[in-house]
Amino acid sequence: AQSVAQPEDQVNVAEGNPLTVKCTYSVSGNPYLFWYVQYPNRGLQFLLKYITGDNLVKGSYGFEAEFNKSQTSFHLKKPSALVSDSALYFCAVRGLGSSASKIIFGSGTRLSIRP
Amino acid sequence: SAVISQKPSRDICQRGTSLTIQCQVDSQVTMMFWYRQQPGQSLTLIATANQGSEATYESGFVIDKFPISRPNLTFSTLTVSNMSPEDSSIYLCSGSTGADTQYFGPGTRLTVL
Repeated sequence: AQSVAQPEDQVNVAEGNPLTVKCTYSVSGNPYLFWYVQYPNRGLQFLLKYITGDNLVKGSYGFEAEFNKSQTSFHLKKPSALVSDSALYFCAVRGLGSSASKIIFGSGTRLSIRP
Repeated sequence: SAVISQKPSRDICQRGTSLTIQCQVDSQVTMMFWYRQQPGQSLTLIATANQGSEATYESGFVIDKFPISRPNLTFSTLTVSNMSPEDSSIYLCSGSTGADTQYFGPGTRLTVL
């Protein structure tokens, strides 16, 4: 069965510092991986995805994520955090086979950037 | 990308009543989905809305409680029937084309008294 884990409920970073939000996955075959962000009282916004190709994927708002097949990870990163990056972040993996149409979400990580 | 809108954005309802949430996509999408989310929590898939046929429900969700329609490739509705306070949640509509990215609506915040 496919699954995705976000081991940290909360990540706190000072503005200007680099940030990392961790994600690991479990899936048979090649994964389709996604990161979404949710601001308060808003829907989910797509940030970036990995389907195939370069392991380093660049997305919206200066975010990037690195696909690491050996560690089954897809950590979200940003070189310099902004206070406006404070939000709830979800990692997701697309299912395979009969579940190929569905996205499975992690539990979410709340990112807090302090000025 | 697809832009998805939902109506209403929020509602406060009485126990025992029903509410229908509308989802409109600005372009044709292959798949449409309905999710439920408690504030600050992860998303739970309710069902896949199938065009012209009955929706496919996830474990724990049934058609009598959450009837879904999808008359065409850009529109779907979710009804929350015979509501109880436990149905208070955020309901999110999502659409995608094939195996590509899923895009989400802004959500409908439902409070049941």
